[in-house]
Amino acid sequence: QQQVKQSPQSLIVQKGGISIINCAYENTAFDYFPWYQQFPGKGPALLIAIRPDVSEKKEGRFTISFNKSAKQFSLHIMDSQPGDSATYFCAASVGDSSYKLIFGSGTRLLVRP
Amino acid sequence: DTGVSQDPRHKITKRGQNVTFRCDPISEHNRLYWYRQTLGQGPEFLTYFQNEAQLEKSRLLSDRFSAERPKGSFSTLEIQRTEQGDSAMYLCASSFPSPGELFFGEGSRLTVL
Repeated sequence: QQQVKQSPQSLIVQKGGISIINCAYENTAFDYFPWYQQFPGKGPALLIAIRPDVSEKKEGRFTISFNKSAKQFSLHIMDSQPGDSATYFCAASVGDSSYKLIFGSGTRLLVRP
Repeated sequence: DTGVSQDPRHKITKRGQNVTFRCDPISEHNRLYWYRQTLGQGPEFLTYFQNEAQLEKSRLLSDRFSAERPKGSFSTLEIQRTEQGDSAMYLCASSFPSPGELFFGEGSRLTVL
């Protein structure tokens, strides 16, 4: 019940295209849903995050869509660029006082020029 | 650089040896987390501290693992009698005590031969 399931495992998109990564969860106590971006040899860095009281959040080319009833959320990267090539992790915060994050297994995105 | 700092970045050791990793969090953050990341997977929670108190340990943290944060500032993660299965990236993150962004360091990569 603590898991966050992420798909696809890998994704190849042409420059200018839309990248879509999906995550699903079971624990309804989760109350914070961030997406992290990780480049090789680096630690994960926060990209964008959403709380369950809104259905969508947009920051530049990055949008999170959140469906509370379906217990799913997704990351859309518009106008994908080669510099977006990285591994993306969805995560969820447990909803207790620990605020620890439970991560998905990651999506390796490659944006072809 | 005022980010999360981890040392060493890489450690190669022989099975059975002890290793210690250090994490210096962002100075204003009183929460510190340790995660483990294996190749192709998302970070897995190990333990977290609020100030000097270790408030939660994952079942992944066997008796051979110990973490300390003696003065509520830097933290150490020690692995005794290392096994090949301990080979992973050990990530440290820090945050304020509220739901929100975890700031990750670049990690300490452990290879056990």
